[in-house]
Amino acid sequence: KNQVEQSPQSLIILEGKNCTLQCNYTVSPFSNLRWYKQDTGRGPVSLTIMTFSENTKSNGRYTATLDADTKQSSLHITASQLSDSASYICVVSGLTGGGNKLTFGTGTQLKVEL
Amino acid sequence: DVKVTQSSRYLVKRTGEKVFLECVQDMDHENMFWYRQDPGLGLRLIYFSYDVKMKEKGDIPEGYSVSREKKERFSLILESASTNQTSMYLCASSLRSSAGSEQYFGPGTRLTVT
Repeated sequence: KNQVEQSPQSLIILEGKNCTLQCNYTVSPFSNLRWYKQDTGRGPVSLTIMTFSENTKSNGRYTATLDADTKQSSLHITASQLSDSASYICVVSGLTGGGNKLTFGTGTQLKVEL
Repeated sequence: DVKVTQSSRYLVKRTGEKVFLECVQDMDHENMFWYRQDPGLGLRLIYFSYDVKMKEKGDIPEGYSVSREKKERFSLILESASTNQTSMYLCASSLRSSAGSEQYFGPGTRLTVT
């Protein structure tokens, strides 16, 4: 069964600090992995997409890594800001006979405090 | 910018009522999706559509139906609302069904069934 597990479930950090969110998946065959940010009361917005051949990709203060061998990804946030407070969702796309199928993680709830 | 709009942000309905949730996208996307999002469960796919008048069941279609009469509009219908359908409903659209296509989400409709 395809699964995506994220850790931690929730995290509180002080403004300016760094943090790393984890995503482990069992989706196979693998196509790509996206990290989404979901602000409270809003829909998810894509931060980055990782394909099989990519190890690292950055989007401003967000850096995603992918280890396709161990089926793990991480999202590192540098110099956190209050606006980073949100839920971060890992989404893995797997190839099926009828196209691609998405498997969603349950998210990591990040709160950045003063 | 892609814009996905949903007809209501908050909705309160009584058990047994017929409920319509509307979603409109303005980027001529072929694919549209309906998800529900519950704490601890992540996003789960209810139905999706790859073309006008075309629909496919997702992972949890029971108790729901959909309609796509125009390319830009995708409606989710709860024929007889029940309390276990209280949830956040998210609509999404994407340009293609290929694995790399980003899904753009609407702001969500928080439905409460009493």
